Amino acid sequence: KNEVEQSPQNLTAQEGEFITINCSYSVGISALHWLQQHPGGGIVSLFMLSSGKKKHGRLIATINIQEKHSSLHITASHPRDSAVYICAVPTNTGNQFYFGTGTSLTVIP
Amino acid sequence: EPEVTQTPSHQVTQMGQEVILRCVPISNHLYFYWYRQILGQKVEFLVSFYNNEISEKSEIFDDQFSVERPDGSNFTLKIRSTKLEDSAMYFCASRAGTGASNEQIFGPGTRLTVL
Repeated sequence: KNEVEQSPQNLTAQEGEFITINCSYSVGISALHWLQQHPGGGIVSLFMLSSGKKKHGRLIATINIQEKHSSLHITASHPRDSAVYICAVPTNTGNQFYFGTGTSLTVIP
Repeated sequence: EPEVTQTPSHQVTQMGQEVILRCVPISNHLYFYWYRQILGQKVEFLVSFYNNEISEKSEIFDDQFSVERPDGSNFTLKIRSTKLEDSAMYFCASRAGTGASNEQIFGPGTRLTVL
């Protein structure tokens, strides 16, 4: 049983394309975390959101708490966006996180 | 920009040996976490730590594992008797609080290889 499901697992896009990565979860949460894992393994926090939408540069994250679903969008994708994107969901206490399996994104020049 | 640091970056050990992985969280953060990621698999929660005690731990975090905050700055993960299946990347993370606006900041990871 996976508490957090991501789709697609793999995604290849041409530079400039608009990209959407989806995350659905089954556990009750107060917020959701989008992370980026670089090819070298390092993990960077992109967003933590509990409602609506957040935007940072070309990245936009949305969440629908009632539907237990979040999306990460990348506008005008670039080869440097190539990475694994992971959603993580905290338990209600915030003391434990469940992680999705990640979406591996490759942006081709 | 404050950052979480981890040492060593890579640790190679023999099966059955004890290892200690070290983390220095961000100084004003109060919540600390250890995660592991076996090569090719997803990140898995190991343990969370607050106020000098374990808040939650996963099934992975058995008696072979322990955590400590020995001096108010370091946060360590000890594996008493390593097994081959402990080979993984271990990430430390810290947060200022557990509210929705408090993101986790991850360290760069320690790659543990058990031979």
